[in-house]
Amino acid sequence: SQQGEEDPQALSIQEGENATMNCSYKTSINNLQWYRQNSGRGLVHLILIRSNEREKHSGRLRVTLDTSKKSSSLLITASRAADTASYFCATVLTGTASKLTFGTGTRLQVTL
Amino acid sequence: DTAVSQTPKYLVTQMGNDKSIKCEQNLGHDTMYWYKQDSKKFLKIMFSYNNKELIINETVPNRFSPKSPDKAHLNLHINSLELGDSAVYFCASSPGAGGAGTQYFGPGTRLLVL
Repeated sequence: SQQGEEDPQALSIQEGENATMNCSYKTSINNLQWYRQNSGRGLVHLILIRSNEREKHSGRLRVTLDTSKKSSSLLITASRAADTASYFCATVLTGTASKLTFGTGTRLQVTL
Repeated sequence: DTAVSQTPKYLVTQMGNDKSIKCEQNLGHDTMYWYKQDSKKFLKIMFSYNNKELIINETVPNRFSPKSPDKAHLNLHINSLELGDSAVYFCASSPGAGGAGTQYFGPGTRLLVL
């Protein structure tokens, strides 16, 4: 069964606005990662947050993790058309350090 | 100088055929993976190798056989292809012995079985 469920499934915003995507998971994790996939391309790693961390920043990206609620959010500030892509959360489960389990993805469309 | 490369990029074949997909990484990573992404964009791990040793083998039909001749290469051979095998197959790699850190993905191989 899938570990991560993402919300919303699709999001359409205008350039300059902020985009927030949420990820919920079911079992205890070692870390949670966010990846971006442009149409027809491979996945690109964005950010990794460990289970003992609550927030991380990277450029225009901000990720939060709430282990009590088993959820994470990815915020992209001041979005650009180039941010149009699918965004996936992926978890490394506690005790299974060898694999990522991906969520269902959020399709983000940024229009001019 | 591509980090993780896959060949071919596209593969169109008939049901029942046997095909192989190749993956190479020049990052010096110890661990490599095969993932399958279905038409709904759901991405699921199939196999993982660490230094040529199989460490993850998910519930995958035994028609799929991975082979790692060295730690920089992980190939995927598929026998008796079925319509349901149509998907995008991604190779990935990561440093160290496990997959807990960042993974680096190849561009994908789009397989269409007719």
